[in-house]
Amino acid sequence: AQSVAQPEDQVNVAEGNPLTVKCTYSVSGNPYLFWYVQYPNRGLQFLLKYITGDNLVKGSYGFEAEFNKSQTSFHLKKPSALVSDSALYFCAACRATGTASKLTFGTGTRLQVTL
Amino acid sequence: NAGVTQTPKFQVLKTGQSMTLQCAQDMNHEYMSWYRQDPGMGLRLIHYSVGAGITDQGEVPNGYNVSRSTTEDFPLRLLSAAPSQTSVYFCASSYQGVLAGESYEQYFGPGTRLTVT
Repeated sequence: AQSVAQPEDQVNVAEGNPLTVKCTYSVSGNPYLFWYVQYPNRGLQFLLKYITGDNLVKGSYGFEAEFNKSQTSFHLKKPSALVSDSALYFCAACRATGTASKLTFGTGTRLQVTL
Repeated sequence: NAGVTQTPKFQVLKTGQSMTLQCAQDMNHEYMSWYRQDPGMGLRLIHYSVGAGITDQGEVPNGYNVSRSTTEDFPLRLLSAAPSQTSVYFCASSYQGVLAGESYEQYFGPGTRLTVT
C-alpha cells in the first residue's frame, strides 16, 4: 500500500525567509507526486507536480519542489515567504501505472508566515 | 466555466437519514472522485469514476454509494447517516486520472460540510 508522510503539523516562518514543507512517500515503482494548497473554507488548489524529468519542479506562486528518489522525498520550497502563503499544504502521491490511479494524501502541514 | 461545483455547502442530518451530495463539472473531465477530509487525517478517497457508467471503491467506501450516468455529474449518496460520517466532503475531477507517461492534476470543488447528530 502506498503512503505519504508530512512530519510537521505546522511550520512557522517569518516573511521574507525561505520556507520548506517536508514530504516523504512510499510508492512501489515510479511515483507521481503532487502538492496542493488549501485556503480556509476552500477546496484544494494544485501547486505543482513531478512526473518525470528534472528533479526540481517549479509551480504556481513561486513554489518549487525537489524530488529525491534515494530519500523518497518531495519537499516543497519557496525562497522568500509571503504572509499570503499562510495556508494548509498537502502532499499527494500515486503509482505511475497504465491505468487510472488513485491519489494518497498526506495529513497536511499548516504554514504560518508572520511579519 | 464554473469548474467543479458542489451542493449543498452545509448540511445537518440526524442519524439514520439519507441524502445525496451533488457534484458537477463542466470541463468534460472523465475522471471524478469523492474525498472526505477529517482533522489530522488528510483526504481519504471514498469512491471514484473513470468515465460515465464506471465507478469503483476507494479507501473508505462503506456507507456511501455513487453512480455516474453522465460525464458531468457524480453524486454521492449517504444511505443511513452516522455520526462517524461528520466530515467535509470534496469532489474532484481531472482529464484522465493518472496514466503512464501522463498526469493530470485534480480540480477540487469548494466542499460540503456535513454534520450528523
